Amino acid sequence: EPEVTQTPSHQVTQMGQEVILRCVPISNHLYFYWYRQILGQKVEFLVSFYNNEISEKSEIFDDQFSVERPDGSNFTLKIRSTKLEDSAMYFCASSVQGAYNSPLHFGNGTRLTVT
Amino acid sequence: TQLLEQSPQFLSIQEGENLTVYCNSSSVFSSLQWYRQEPGEGPVLLVTVVTGGEVKKLKRLTFQFGDARKDSSLHITAAQPGDTGLYLCAGAATGAQKLVFGQGTRLTINP
Repeated sequence: EPEVTQTPSHQVTQMGQEVILRCVPISNHLYFYWYRQILGQKVEFLVSFYNNEISEKSEIFDDQFSVERPDGSNFTLKIRSTKLEDSAMYFCASSVQGAYNSPLHFGNGTRLTVT
Repeated sequence: TQLLEQSPQFLSIQEGENLTVYCNSSSVFSSLQWYRQEPGEGPVLLVTVVTGGEVKKLKRLTFQFGDARKDSSLHITAAQPGDTGLYLCAGAATGAQKLVFGQGTRLTINP
């Protein structure tokens, strides 16, 4: 069964450094998402991406964050200057249609640790 | 702001017992999805419900969407140790691109 893959599985970085988290969504999916989960807390929406542009973003997704689909297969999340509070599991997801109309398929996440 | 409240947050029962997990909101959702999440992994979809009053069964798991599409429940019959895990409900409003997640129910089934 096709799956969403994420790399790396674990990333350790120093505060103020830039990180790029990578995802390969399911190939026939058109909608892509990033969510995060701080340890012990809810899964939180960050951003959705459709037709090569951001379709919706949360208040968490400020100017430090950006997303890109640099080619036909990868979907990346960049955090420009990491803060301690960015430490979390970051999940990529994809779906055939929008979230209101189609189930999301999640990757296994990247655990980001900011020191 | 849409919120989903799950209850209970923690549940520990003996093998063979039945249980129900609730997911409630004051908002109407176009669809509601139930996921299961294992440690160190992403949420895995169990079911999607879209019609008010809809009931879906997945072996010993029964999912129901409230008539007003504001709440849902997950009922497990004759729970087994393999059912142990974190269960998440998540909803999307009409036209929305984001899922709103509940805080999860951590279920432990003791042999």
